[in-house]
Amino acid sequence: EAGVAQSPRYKIIEKRQSVAFWCNPISGHATLYWYQQILGQGPKLLIQFQNNGVVDDSQLPKDRFSAERLKGVDSTLKIQPAKLEDSAVYLCASSNGLAGFYEQYFGPGTRLTVT
Amino acid sequence: AQSVTQLDSHVSVSEGTPVLLRCNYSSSYSPSLFWYVQHPNKGLQLLLKYTSAATLVKGINGFEAEFKKSETSFHLTKPSAHMSDAAEYFCVVTSNYGGSQGNLIFGKGTKLSVKP
Repeated sequence: EAGVAQSPRYKIIEKRQSVAFWCNPISGHATLYWYQQILGQGPKLLIQFQNNGVVDDSQLPKDRFSAERLKGVDSTLKIQPAKLEDSAVYLCASSNGLAGFYEQYFGPGTRLTVT
Repeated sequence: AQSVTQLDSHVSVSEGTPVLLRCNYSSSYSPSLFWYVQHPNKGLQLLLKYTSAATLVKGINGFEAEFKKSETSFHLTKPSAHMSDAAEYFCVVTSNYGGSQGNLIFGKGTKLSVKP
């Protein structure tokens, strides 16, 4: 079974530029998550999708971050414009269902450096 | 509101000695609890999970954890450390109900070092 795919693996941009990350979840997983992991901290949820609908985006900085999952499969997370504090690893995860007892499978992450 | 506190940011053990990584949680509802491991430059991997069944949970690679509701703890243990266990470990809590179900709340992590 193929795992969660993410691209690119690494990205370096200057502040005020824009960037986009892509995630393809495990086949058949309806729930998709984006997490931000700042160096030295645990991951923090940014947004949660169920199929193509947003379940929770309360921690997404909506003035600069956006995410979509138009066909209920793969997803894109965008930052525009980027700030220095956005430097982090962006993790995508997917699961079979919403409830906490469903295991979330994580992708390898995209390491973003903003200079 | 839910939260987790990992009591040690760094634990160092010798190979072959026991491992204890401590975690306390706070949750308004009956929680699900997890331990994840993250090796350098690799993705997060689930070690074990508690979802209101047996309180002693066995995971991969010889790790286990015990859910103690009275102490609000979910400590991770392993009888004998191996060099390959060196990694960052995260204690995680989530709710099975309500608007925040499935939202994993991560602790700050414990870095485990294993000395030969």
